[in-house]
Amino acid sequence: GIQVEQSPPDLILQEGANSTLRCNFSDSVNNLQWFHQNPWGQLINLFYIPSGTKQNGRLSATTVATERYSLLYISSSQTTDSGVYFCALPYSGGGADGLTFGKGTHLIIQP
Amino acid sequence: EAGVAQSPRYKIIEKRQSVAFWCNPISGHATLYWYQQILGQGPKLLIQFQNNGVVDDSQLPKDRFSAERLKGVDSTLKIQPAKLEDSAVYLCASSLTAGVDTEAFFGQGTRLTVV
Repeated sequence: GIQVEQSPPDLILQEGANSTLRCNFSDSVNNLQWFHQNPWGQLINLFYIPSGTKQNGRLSATTVATERYSLLYISSSQTTDSGVYFCALPYSGGGADGLTFGKGTHLIIQP
Repeated sequence: EAGVAQSPRYKIIEKRQSVAFWCNPISGHATLYWYQQILGQGPKLLIQFQNNGVVDDSQLPKDRFSAERLKGVDSTLKIQPAKLEDSAVYLCASSLTAGVDTEAFFGQGTRLTVV
């Protein structure tokens, strides 16, 4: 099945800092989603971005499908940005078309 | 628009007991998924429904796990009997249609602790 690798695994930053999270994947895809899992466990959709660049406020994402990676940028970090960020791609197994998740990047924003 | 609803939020049971989780997807979403998330890992797909039919349950431990979506809307995931290693968060997700190019939305999950 598809392999998804996220880096860095852990990141600690001060409030106001910028960060870049990376997702590498092993096969060509036509679906890639970024999620933020908050400290209460809720998975929040950030971007649906199989290719190209999207921006939403302080967050933006870029996927270069031909080179099999995606980047999530967080600017002017706030403490509420803390949590785990997951990259997820189409599950490849059986007849399902759910998602295969990376192990996530654990982000801590300190005040 | 209401999101994916799950209940209960938390459940603590003893090993060998049974437990059931409920999920109500976003209105109009034909596809429903159950995922298991063990602490420190990303969610892992257990089963996918399309309307009231099972698309894939190859990752579901069918000796103890079962799931149904009888009327093509709500779904129930059951574990019987539970083992210690079943301690995890069980997440339900839905999408408008099936297909690898569709966006999925997740509920808040049910945190199961087996003691």
